[in-house]
Amino acid sequence: KAGVTQTPRYLIKTRGQQVTLSCSPISGHRSVSWYQQTPGQGLQFLFEYFSETQRNKGNFPGRFSGRQFSNSRSEMNVSTLELGDSALYLCASSLGQGGFGYTFGSGTRLTVV
Amino acid sequence: DQQVKQNSPSLSVQEGRISILNCDYTNSMFDYFLWYKKYPAEGPTFLISISSIKDKNEDGRFTVFLNKSAKHLSLHIVPSQPGDSAVYFCAASPIQGAQKLVFGQGTRLTINP
Repeated sequence: KAGVTQTPRYLIKTRGQQVTLSCSPISGHRSVSWYQQTPGQGLQFLFEYFSETQRNKGNFPGRFSGRQFSNSRSEMNVSTLELGDSALYLCASSLGQGGFGYTFGSGTRLTVV
Repeated sequence: DQQVKQNSPSLSVQEGRISILNCDYTNSMFDYFLWYKKYPAEGPTFLISISSIKDKNEDGRFTVFLNKSAKHLSLHIVPSQPGDSAVYFCAASPIQGAQKLVFGQGTRLTINP
């Protein structure tokens, strides 16, 4: 079965712009979580959506937001981009019952210049 | 506040020998621990997990040890193979099934022929 698909794979944006990243989960998975990976910081949890509702949220500013659609596809949006937002953004999908069942996508590499 | 720490950014091991990756955590509420492996340009993939009711879990060449009193876990790979070269992340959550994982910074393992 198809894995978790993230688009686009690479993105270059300018400071102050906004960006939208997309994640299509594995068919049947209802939970989508987003993580930011930066060198030296590991993966940091952004938020999790389950059945179109945000169920968990990490410690990121309000510039980071997300949503989930009825088909479980999810988008995350970052407004007023800063240089420090340059990172690999990973989404992971699961049935919703556990981190054990996480399957990660390959990520979107965002570079802010 | 880094609740999960991998203090070695990199580790180099000869093929056939044992690789030992370490992870420390500070939050005593963590009860479930996982290891993920990440190749460049791919998302992390689940490797092995352990719950706090155990002190050891084994899966083929991979063994995870948990020392709750020291808040320390380690991943042993025996024997190490060139394909094991990757970045390894440990992660923790308060319960099995939590959708929010707290990750360490990662350790880059290089297996030398």
